Amino acid sequence: EVQLLESGGGLVQPGGSLRLSCAASGFTFSSYAMSWVRQAPGKGLEWVSGIDGSGASTYYLDSVKNRFIVSRDNSKNTLFLQMNSLRVEDTAVFYCAKEGAVAGTFEYWGRGTLVTVSS
Amino acid sequence: DIQMTQSPSSLSASVGDRVTITCQASQDITNYLNWYQHKPGKAPKLLIYDASNLETGVPSRFSGSGSGTDFTFTISSLQPEDIATYYCQQYDNLPFTFGPGTKVDIK
Repeated sequence: EVQLLESGGGLVQPGGSLRLSCAASGFTFSSYAMSWVRQAPGKGLEWVSGIDGSGASTYYLDSVKNRFIVSRDNSKNTLFLQMNSLRVEDTAVFYCAKEGAVAGTFEYWGRGTLVTVSS
Repeated sequence: DIQMTQSPSSLSASVGDRVTITCQASQDITNYLNWYQHKPGKAPKLLIYDASNLETGVPSRFSGSGSGTDFTFTISSLQPEDIATYYCQQYDNLPFTFGPGTKVDIK
């Protein structure tokens, strides 16, 4: 059974940093691209960042480029999102998602971790 | 970026009703369109991929159709457990983008 468990969310001041983790199990982690998707309070879903199975290729939403870094440790089946220079508008529940055979189809999702950026 | 729109933004229907949601892309995305169900506090769930293919294990009352810029999602007979927000999502181009969602509840 595929399981994705996010952690690392919390309250941080504007300009601060936070590192999210997503522990994956139930599939061959290194064979699949992964993504982070967020949902701001009262808003819809927004794709944030993606990474291919090897970790060699990464992709970002323009508004997080040069502030967020996605990475993965395939030896530990874990996905990361390093978030720097956080803004109030980054406040959201962050979900990690396993992509399918076709990039951009999010087959499985975690239950999310809440990031609150506030002074 | 490809913009996705959905209508209606919310709807209320009776158990057993047929429910239809439309999704429109700002440019041709062929059939690179998925539909997800999201219940509060839970992980979103993939229901339909490639516009019309039912994900394994998803009840057959859910279906999707369309290509190009116009897509439709249907619940043939609404059940109480279908109360959720439904999102379309394109994966033709980065950034992957979602529609604003349609909130479905029971009348």
